[in-house]
Amino acid sequence: KQEVTQIPAALSVPEGENLVLNCSFTDSAIYNLQWFRQDPGKGLTSLLLIQSSQREQTSGRLNASLDKSSGRSTLYIAASQPGDSATYLCAVDQTGANNLFFGTGTRLTVIP
Amino acid sequence: GAVVSQHPSRVICKSGTSVKIECRSLDFQATTMFWYRQFPKQSLMLMATSNEGSKATYEQGVEKDKFLINHASLTLSTLTVTSAHPEDSSFYICSAAKRTATNEKLFFGSGTQLSVL
Repeated sequence: KQEVTQIPAALSVPEGENLVLNCSFTDSAIYNLQWFRQDPGKGLTSLLLIQSSQREQTSGRLNASLDKSSGRSTLYIAASQPGDSATYLCAVDQTGANNLFFGTGTRLTVIP
Repeated sequence: GAVVSQHPSRVICKSGTSVKIECRSLDFQATTMFWYRQFPKQSLMLMATSNEGSKATYEQGVEKDKFLINHASLTLSTLTVTSAHPEDSSFYICSAAKRTATNEKLFFGSGTQLSVL
């Protein structure tokens, strides 16, 4: 069974810093990998989706990479802002049927 | 973007009662919706896949008679926790799949925090 791990569980950085969140998965036979953002009391918002054939995706200050063979993905956030404070989840879809395996998340706090 | 509405956001109930949670896709039709639960400090875990007009598909270890799922229309799926017990206390969240010309994207509700006394 696929297991998804995120490190660190929590991260606190001063505003303006660049940071990297890590995600690892045990079964490299994946269809795609997504990074989500979850704000307290709100649902998940998809940030980036990387297909298994891709190595990275970029959206604004966010860049996600995928190394399928080693079972790893990173989410890079440039020039962090207080508004980036949230919990970031990575999720793996193994079949393309949206059956997602989620990590436990990294709770990010950006200090003004 | 698409909107998925989930109600209630928080519910407290007595042990032995049943609780219904609604998940609505407000501006698109969703043939498939998903139900997850999350215990404290654990990952979101898929409970079941809800297909409009047919029976839900439950993940291993999820009791279908305890967690009743109804997907009677293309915009509404409900999860009923029957005879709830304290161990059912958890965060429940739904998602709905929206199809586009090129892919299928998931949109999530805001979740329901269930506390069973």
